[in-house]
Amino acid sequence: EVQLVESGGGLVQSGRSLRLSCAASGFSFDEYALHWVRQVPGKGLEWVSGITWNSGSIGYADSVKGRFIISRDNDKNILYLQMNSLTTDDTALYHCAKDVGSSGWNRFESWGQGVQVTVSS
Amino acid sequence: QSALTQPASVSGSPGQSITISCTGSRSDVGTYNLVSWYQHHPGKVPKLIIYAGTERPSGVSGRFSGSKSGNTASLTISGLQPEDEADYYCCSYAHISTFDYVVFGTGTKVTVL
Repeated sequence: EVQLVESGGGLVQSGRSLRLSCAASGFSFDEYALHWVRQVPGKGLEWVSGITWNSGSIGYADSVKGRFIISRDNDKNILYLQMNSLTTDDTALYHCAKDVGSSGWNRFESWGQGVQVTVSS
Repeated sequence: QSALTQPASVSGSPGQSITISCTGSRSDVGTYNLVSWYQHHPGKVPKLIIYAGTERPSGVSGRFSGSKSGNTASLTISGLQPEDEADYYCCSYAHISTFDYVVFGTGTKVTVL
């Protein structure tokens, strides 16, 4: 069974940093693209960032480009999201999501339960 | 990247068919056959119900089908059932300049009357 467990969230002041982690199990981690998707109640889903199986291709939403860095450790089966210069607009529930394949961008077949990030002013 | 446009709400009676539209641009929906659709019940994680425009993941009911015309993708739910009441989001790949993007739709609340 695929399991994606996010951690590292919390309450942080505007301008500070956080690093999210997503520990994966139940599948061959190094064969799949992975993504971060965030959810604000009442505002829907927003893709944040994605990374292909070998980190060969990485993408970011314009809203986080230059501030967030996605990475993965295929030996430890962990996906990361380094979030810098946080603003109140980054407050959301952050989900880790697994793609159907190795290089896909929007086929999120498995999702973690999410970790809450709250940025205060 | 702007969010794809969906109607805020769609409703139907049990057994009816409904269609949810998802309008993008030539940068996303219009160029790539890579639209996916997600069903989201409150308090649960989103569920992939359509990918690559028309493909259904294993285990997803055949009552869900996807299509596309020009810059607009559509999700049709046939034989509407009470458990179909949820929020639905479309999602498209986009490639602009040298960058890869993913853009979600604004979301549609489906109500089963």
